[in-house]
Amino acid sequence: DGGITQSPKYLFRKEGQNVTLSCEQNLNHDAMYWYRQDPGQGLRLIYYSQIVNDFQKGDIAEGYSVSREKKESFPLTVTSAQKNPTAFYLCASSVGGANVLTFGAGSRLTVL
Amino acid sequence: DQQVKQNSPSLSVQEGRISILNCDYTNSMFDYFLWYKKYPAEGPTFLISISSIKDKNEDGRFTVFLNKSAKHLSLHIVPSQPGDSAVYFCAAGGTSYGKLTFGQGTILTVHP
Repeated sequence: DGGITQSPKYLFRKEGQNVTLSCEQNLNHDAMYWYRQDPGQGLRLIYYSQIVNDFQKGDIAEGYSVSREKKESFPLTVTSAQKNPTAFYLCASSVGGANVLTFGAGSRLTVL
Repeated sequence: DQQVKQNSPSLSVQEGRISILNCDYTNSMFDYFLWYKKYPAEGPTFLISISSIKDKNEDGRFTVFLNKSAKHLSLHIVPSQPGDSAVYFCAAGGTSYGKLTFGQGTILTVHP
């Protein structure tokens, strides 16, 4: 069954710690994305990648980093530089840019 | 600068009646529009889309209308069902844009 797997589903982090969220897809999609959801603010784009070994900053990239070493994987690291990291993080993929996105189930990060 | 706006945070409708969700955009480069449905703690799922060469697209109970001159799109759900209760996001992109921009979302509640 093709889809996107995000892990962990829930994650707790102490202030000052970096944390990495995993995103794996078996849809053979070229493009992958990370969005953040906060109440009342919809989905905001953090980073996106249209091809392996290449990625671009989205609207709110500060305090985050990504890598795209394999087509099926696009991990997101939330660094200690991110001021308000508590949020629901969504990974998505698409056949190409600006196409229909398929989303994972999300990861909820809480900073204690 | 919010390029995609959903000005109604919530909408309440009686079962069997029509639900109309609205979305406005400002970027003339957008030429592809989508609606997503999201339940709490889950990823959004694709509902319906429309390209800028059309003004209407229909799929079962869901119809999306696009008014390019007003930079406005709407989603009609007829008849509404309690299972339609969710957050609805509109999104916009372009063939040369490379990413989707989402609105803030509208919480739809359908009462039995």
